[in-house]
Amino acid sequence: SQTIHQWPATLVQPVGSPLSLECTVEGTSNPNLYWYRQAAGRGLQLLFYSVGIGQISSEVPQNLSASRPQDRQFILSSKKLLLSDSGFYLCAGDRLSTEAFFGQGTRLTVV
Amino acid sequence: AQRVTQPEKLLSVFKGAPVELKCNYSYSGSPELFWYVQYSRQRLQLLLRHISRESIKGFTADLNKGETSFHLKKPFAQEEDSAMYYCALKPPANQGGKLIFGQGTELSVKP
Repeated sequence: SQTIHQWPATLVQPVGSPLSLECTVEGTSNPNLYWYRQAAGRGLQLLFYSVGIGQISSEVPQNLSASRPQDRQFILSSKKLLLSDSGFYLCAGDRLSTEAFFGQGTRLTVV
Repeated sequence: AQRVTQPEKLLSVFKGAPVELKCNYSYSGSPELFWYVQYSRQRLQLLLRHISRESIKGFTADLNKGETSFHLKKPFAQEEDSAMYYCALKPPANQGGKLIFGQGTELSVKP
């Protein structure tokens, strides 16, 4: 079955520092991959969507970027973190007609 | 634009009472609709999808295209049903195919 490994589970970073969150997929190939931000009362906000290597769709203007250097690797990055980037970030994947599968999430606190 | 709306942030019921979690969507085509659930300290997981038309853990959801709704129902709630529930929409691949979530409803079942 499909699995997403996402790390780290928690991260505390100073304002202005860079960010790199990584997720890798096991058990399937050519997945669609997603980065969501989960906020209380706002649900799962889609940040980035990728249908293949190097193909990234940005859903909301923000301080973050995403990359997909390999089929089963999806990276969320920032050059300089802002306080407002604090939150819970979730990596997910799916294929054409399958259910989505999710990582464990990363709790990011920018101080 | 596609959108999923879950009007209730929190729904609190007593054990044995019926429960209905509301979900409305806006999309002009024929999307696939899902309910995902997140139990405490667990990853998000699929509860049910409209095309399978099955009952999972006593929950059912009927797609009403006229009202653009996909409400989740259970006749007798159990304490173990307490969790965060997300309604989600996925357009066909040739129309974007991105998985979009609602704001989520926290269900609390009291003894």
